[in-house]
Amino acid sequence: DIQMTQSPSSLSASVGDRVTITCRASQGISNYLAWYQQKPGKVPKLLIYTASTLQSGVPSRFSGSGSGTDFTLTISSLQPEDVATYFCQNCYTAPITFGQGTRLEI
Amino acid sequence: QVQLVQSGSELKKPGASVKVSCNTSGYTFTNYAMNWVRQAPGQGLEWMGWIHTNTGNPSYAQGFTGRFVFSLDTSVSTAYLQISSLRAEDTAVYFCARTLSGSYDDAFEFWGQGTVVTVSS
Repeated sequence: DIQMTQSPSSLSASVGDRVTITCRASQGISNYLAWYQQKPGKVPKLLIYTASTLQSGVPSRFSGSGSGTDFTLTISSLQPEDVATYFCQNCYTAPITFGQGTRLEI
Repeated sequence: QVQLVQSGSELKKPGASVKVSCNTSGYTFTNYAMNWVRQAPGQGLEWMGWIHTNTGNPSYAQGFTGRFVFSLDTSVSTAYLQISSLRAEDTAVYFCARTLSGSYDDAFEFWGQGTVVTVSS
């Protein structure tokens, strides 16, 4: 199975900060990676797919990059509504696996 | 618009069974695989497997074989998850999720609202 490891596990930042979350795959997954945002008690929301494609309706302050084993999710200017847990997902091969999550606080 | 609407919360005793439904609308049901995801309290996302909505062929992730069954009723565009011999550790939120493309191994664009299953005596 492909293991997905996110860092950090939690993060505190200020409004307006640039925030970066990383995700490392235990083996190469090309660009078959997605990022999700999950607010407390809510359904996960797709932010980014194929590593860098912004899902429709997602604010442009979110961006993704990477290929192979190393990926990043960047929020260019943190907003209060970005408080959430963020997950990466291996979409390369079964079993589909998720990172353990990064909790982002302000 | 695409919608995935799941059945309501369930409280079950250990050893009982539960069947969660995922009623879809706004797209051609048989064109998209349906995935199932579990989230235990305070934990991350765990992929349970998927079902081919054309053939009805299910595929289960490790740890979700035996007591877990995926099924369909294509006449009402609905997918089901049945869990038997419930244990306390099955307590979780269960999500159905549809991918961007028709394939199961793609980003999950649409999610059901989640069904809370609580197993307690």
